[in-house]
Amino acid sequence: GNSVTQMEGPVTLSEEAFLTINCTYTATGYPSLFWYVQYPGEGLQLLLKATKADDKGSNKGFEATYRKETTSFHLEKGSVQVSDSAVYFCALTHNAGKSTFGDGTTLTVKP
Amino acid sequence: EPEVTQTPSHQVTQMGQEVILRCVPISNHLYFYWYRQILGQKVEFLVSFYNNEISEKSEIFDDQFSVERPDGSNFTLKIRSTKLEDSAMYFCASSTGGRWPQHFGDGTRLSIL
Repeated sequence: GNSVTQMEGPVTLSEEAFLTINCTYTATGYPSLFWYVQYPGEGLQLLLKATKADDKGSNKGFEATYRKETTSFHLEKGSVQVSDSAVYFCALTHNAGKSTFGDGTTLTVKP
Repeated sequence: EPEVTQTPSHQVTQMGQEVILRCVPISNHLYFYWYRQILGQKVEFLVSFYNNEISEKSEIFDDQFSVERPDGSNFTLKIRSTKLEDSAMYFCASSTGGRWPQHFGDGTRLSIL
């Protein structure tokens, strides 16, 4: 079956540091890949997406590139802010629509 | 921007009671989903719904669970006889197509006493 493996957390960074959260997946065919963010007490918000190999998703300074050869979709941001503190989930979706999520990575950014 | 709305935001229920969680998906979306997240754990798929029928369900979605789209705008999840282990955050989601991003509601926190 499909699975998503995320870098274990929690991750603690200082403001303006570089962020990488690793995500690798196992799936048949060509899934779509997503990063969702969950702020404390809130639901899941779509952060960015990529629907085919070599696509780069980007939003709010975050980026991730769909790498089929390494089955990866690592999330990066060049300079994090305190407001980026949240839980980040990597997910994949197939034609059937069911999404499979990683365990989530908690990011804390300190001033 | 259109949103998925869920009610109530918090539901407290006695074990063994029935509970109905309500969702209003985005109006032009065709695919509907329920997920749950036990505190501190990953988001787990429960069920997907398309064209007025269940298209896929997980092992978690046993006979105690059912979904319904009663009127073309609401999408409900019913748990017939709740158990302590049903305590979780339940998220509704909708999308325009199977491979497209799912838009999530803010969730209903279900507490079983």
